[in-house]
Amino acid sequence: DVKVTQSSRYLVKRTGEKVFLECVQDMDHENMFWYRQDPGLGLRLIYFSYDVKMKEKGDIPEGYSVSREKKERFSLILESASTNQTSMYLCASSSPGQGRGTEAFFGQGTRLTVV
Amino acid sequence: GQSLEQPSEVTAVEGAIVQINCTYQTSGFYGLSWYQQHDGGAPTFLSYNALDGLEETGRFSSFLSRSDSYGYLLLQELQMKDSASYFCAYQGGKLIFGQGTELSVKP
Repeated sequence: DVKVTQSSRYLVKRTGEKVFLECVQDMDHENMFWYRQDPGLGLRLIYFSYDVKMKEKGDIPEGYSVSREKKERFSLILESASTNQTSMYLCASSSPGQGRGTEAFFGQGTRLTVV
Repeated sequence: GQSLEQPSEVTAVEGAIVQINCTYQTSGFYGLSWYQQHDGGAPTFLSYNALDGLEETGRFSSFLSRSDSYGYLLLQELQMKDSASYFCAYQGGKLIFGQGTELSVKP
């Protein structure tokens, strides 16, 4: 069974803390994504990686960074957490190309609360 | 940049047919995908259109017109379990989502 696993389902952190969200996929996918989801705003792309050590900014990269040292793992880092980063964070992976092969598989999400 | 527009909510009754529209503005377009997300769940893939025309998968169909920068998801024989949020997504290297349409199916 295809699997994208996020390290935590719920997380509570303090303002100013450095926060690491981990995502691992077992499908040998080249592409990995980090989104945040807020009510009424849909899924907004934070960062995208198309290969190991490669990354591209999405629509809302401010306050975030990412790391992809291994193909299966994509980490999202909040350098100094702020209350406006309280959100649901979703990781996804896909293979490049056309057709159904571009289907993205999502993890179950990490609900992060910054207090 | 890329942007996708879809209605924020749609209500329909069991057994009916509903169409969720999506218009987009983008460049370097590969295709349009549709995802379903139930409350508390992860988005799951429904369909993908790379070429103009209709793709059918059971009760769900998806349509794309590149010349009109427009697509839609058609859900037939609606069931209560179809109540969910539906997202169109631009496929072009990155995967960019619309804001989602919340579908409520009433008995």
